[in-house]
Amino acid sequence: AIQMTQSPSSLSASVGDRVTITCRASQDIKNDLGWYQQIAGKAPKLLIYAASNLRTGVPSRFSGNGSGTDFALTISSLQPEDLATYFCLQDFMVPLSFGGGTKVVV
Amino acid sequence: QVQLRESGPGLVKPSETLSLTCAISGPSRDGFSWTWIRQPAGKGLEWLGRIYRRGTTSYNPSLRSRLTLSLDMSRNQVSLKMISVTAADTAVYYCVTDILYGDSDSWGLGTRVTVSS
Repeated sequence: AIQMTQSPSSLSASVGDRVTITCRASQDIKNDLGWYQQIAGKAPKLLIYAASNLRTGVPSRFSGNGSGTDFALTISSLQPEDLATYFCLQDFMVPLSFGGGTKVVV
Repeated sequence: QVQLRESGPGLVKPSETLSLTCAISGPSRDGFSWTWIRQPAGKGLEWLGRIYRRGTTSYNPSLRSRLTLSLDMSRNQVSLKMISVTAADTAVYYCVTDILYGDSDSWGLGTRVTVSS
């Protein structure tokens, strides 16, 4: 099974800060990775798919990049509503696997 | 966009069978796959398995011996059955259509399951 190592597990940042979260896969997963945002008590919401494609309606301050084993989610200017936990998910191989999550505190 | 609504018993006794249903409704594409994911309170997300429209399934190896997914498009629902549950199966269970498939990725609200005697 592919292991997804996500870091940091939590971070504290101020409004307007640039924030970067990373995920490393235990093997090459091409660009078969997405990023989810989960606000407390809610279901996760897809932000980025295929490593760098922004889902329709997601603010442009969110971006993703990477391929192979190393990926990153960047929030260019953190907003108060970005308080959430973020997860990466690989679908290159079954079983699909999530990163451990990054809790963002604003 | 398609809407998903999970439902289930809420409370299940250890060693019993958990049965969950995901009702599919709404306009737009019918979806080509449905995935079940769970999340224990305060913890991360675990992929359980997936079923495609044509009926093909894939399961997390850690649960393969206990898990069965099925699809009934005449009733617009996907079902999950997990046998021999333990406290470790306590979690919120989510149904997801077309996971990671761009704008078609859609999650239900989740249903909480507690395994306790």
